[in-house]
Amino acid sequence: SYVLTQPPSVSVAPGQTARITCGGNNIGVKGVHWYQQKPGQAPVLVVYDDSDRPSGIPERLSGSSSGNTATLTISRVEAGDEADYYCHVSDTSSDHYVFGGGTKLTVL
Amino acid sequence: QVQLQESGPGLVKPSETLSLTCTVSGGSINRYYWNWIRQPAGKGLEWIGRIFTSGNTNYNSSLKSRVTMSVDTFKNQFSLKLSSVTAADTAVYFCARVARGSSSLDYWGQGALVTVSS
Repeated sequence: SYVLTQPPSVSVAPGQTARITCGGNNIGVKGVHWYQQKPGQAPVLVVYDDSDRPSGIPERLSGSSSGNTATLTISRVEAGDEADYYCHVSDTSSDHYVFGGGTKLTVL
Repeated sequence: QVQLQESGPGLVKPSETLSLTCTVSGGSINRYYWNWIRQPAGKGLEWIGRIFTSGNTNYNSSLKSRVTMSVDTFKNQFSLKLSSVTAADTAVYFCARVARGSSSLDYWGQGALVTVSS
């Protein structure tokens, strides 16, 4: 089965740039989606199809994907960005949806 | 604005069947894929399966033998049944919609906590 690997945690100071990675075999040919989840809340889609943003999501959040790694980049990090972030792909070989294990972003 | 709301018993006994319903409001249920995802306390997201409004389903292989999903387009609802539950099935269960033209999940319910305990 297809596996997505994320670092358990990333820490960054306010105003700096956070990069959260998602590793998977040839992930660059799949559409990667990213969700932000704050405690006690449902996940919110923040990036879809590698690099597109839903309406209402600030431009500070951006995505990219190539080779075996997809990356969610959060520029000018704010306290309100502190959350868990999950990557997600559709594995066409199994017709399953797969989530990464999640990354906890801590704003120092 | 599309809204999803999960409903069902919050407590299920071991070996019994967990049943949840997701009600879609603010939009039609038709011609979309609808998903169930769960999250044990303090852990990550696990995809359970999805159903199209035609009734076609795809289930996570790890749960396939115990999962049944159904859809009622007249009521704008879809449902999940998970049989032979154990404590390991205790989790927050989310319903979510697949965006058209993408496999992303653009709308989610708030989640329903289901505890398996005698």
